[in-house]
Amino acid sequence: RKEVEQDPGPFNVPEGATVAFNCTYSNSASQSFFWYRQDCRKEPKLLMSVYSSGNEDGRFTAQLNRASQYISLLIRDSKLSDSATYLCVVNLNFGNEKLTFGTGTRLTIIP
Amino acid sequence: ETGVTQSPTHLIKTRGQQVTLRCSSQSGHNTVSWYQQALGQGPQFIFQYYREEENGRGNFPPRFSGLQFPNYSSELNVNALELDDSALYLCASSLLGVGETQYFGPGTRLLVL
Repeated sequence: RKEVEQDPGPFNVPEGATVAFNCTYSNSASQSFFWYRQDCRKEPKLLMSVYSSGNEDGRFTAQLNRASQYISLLIRDSKLSDSATYLCVVNLNFGNEKLTFGTGTRLTIIP
Repeated sequence: ETGVTQSPTHLIKTRGQQVTLRCSSQSGHNTVSWYQQALGQGPQFIFQYYREEENGRGNFPPRFSGLQFPNYSSELNVNALELDDSALYLCASSLLGVGETQYFGPGTRLLVL
């Protein structure tokens, strides 16, 4: 079983729609959680950290369910510029930040 | 921009050769992590360096080795290159601590023929 699992997509979504991504992780001792965004042929960039209480940044909402080992990302009112690959990322250890990435979910926003 | 730089941007090598990739970390960061990203996959952790010492290693063979210098820049060396080593190699710098964010450089794209 992969340490971090994501639906690879692709998700093709009309502009203005709401889209949700899900991710599961296998190690219950995981310490911190993130969503990264990666544009084509570019490096991953931090989109947001994910907390159990849920957190929101503009049109983006992330949620963590530790009991189910499940992470989600919701994008509301999607824009063309949201087209990218979204990587679910888990940090297994404090003090040794080995980030474990999912394979990524490719999102294309259609005009 | 993250302030993390990598060189070279692209590289073509043949099987059996050796390669050295370089990374300059963001100012104030003391930790560099290296990742390999094959086409269509997420980045895979190779190893991390903190204050010039290896501080964790992923599931990569010993022919993948690294260094960190006193200014916290880093090198990734790969010996006896194989075709499967073709990938985007990313370095990420951070300040070692609880859940500190890692900032990625633009990567070096390596093609092994």
